[in-house]
Amino acid sequence: DGGITQSPKYLFRKEGQNVTLSCEQNLNHDAMYWYRQDPGQGLRLIYYSQIVNDFQKGDIAEGYSVSREKKESFPLTVTSAQKNPTAFYLCASSILAWRETQYFGPGTRLLVL
Amino acid sequence: KNEVEQSPQNLTAQEGEFITINCSYSVGISALHWLQQHPGGGIVSLFMLSSGKKKHGRLIATINIQEKHSSLHITASHPRDSAVYICAVRFALIQGAQKLVFGQGTRLTINP
Repeated sequence: DGGITQSPKYLFRKEGQNVTLSCEQNLNHDAMYWYRQDPGQGLRLIYYSQIVNDFQKGDIAEGYSVSREKKESFPLTVTSAQKNPTAFYLCASSILAWRETQYFGPGTRLLVL
Repeated sequence: KNEVEQSPQNLTAQEGEFITINCSYSVGISALHWLQQHPGGGIVSLFMLSSGKKKHGRLIATINIQEKHSSLHITASHPRDSAVYICAVRFALIQGAQKLVFGQGTRLTINP
């Protein structure tokens, strides 16, 4: 079955620690995205990638980093510079960037200890 | 500022009722998406439309470009329709780039 997987489902971060959220897709999509969801707010774009080895900052990229070494994978690192990391993180992909329907993963909930 | 406003924020109805969720936006757009977020957090894309009306099963989405408004209707609502419904608008930036702006969502609860 084709789809997007995110792991882990829940992630706990200690103060000053970097953590990496995994996102993998087997849909052969070129574009991938990371969004953050906070209660009562719309999804906000962190980073997106239109093609392998390329990525662009979204609206709230500060404190986050990404890589796109393989078409299937777009991991997100939440660095210690992100002062308010507690949120629900959603990964998505689409055939082409922006013009096509985005398919979402199940999400990762990040909590700070 | 490019804003997306959904109404109502919360909606509770009885099984079988006709449901309408509204989405208004402030600037010209390329397309509008309706998404469904299940209680576990997963998001499913329901519709992408740039004009007129689309129908899939009991779901109907309409858009009025001139009035910058879209509605999502659910006919013969069922408890399994309980979810958060999210409107997102896509608009063009300079140099061919595009952007999605999401509404805050409408939480729908259908009671049996």
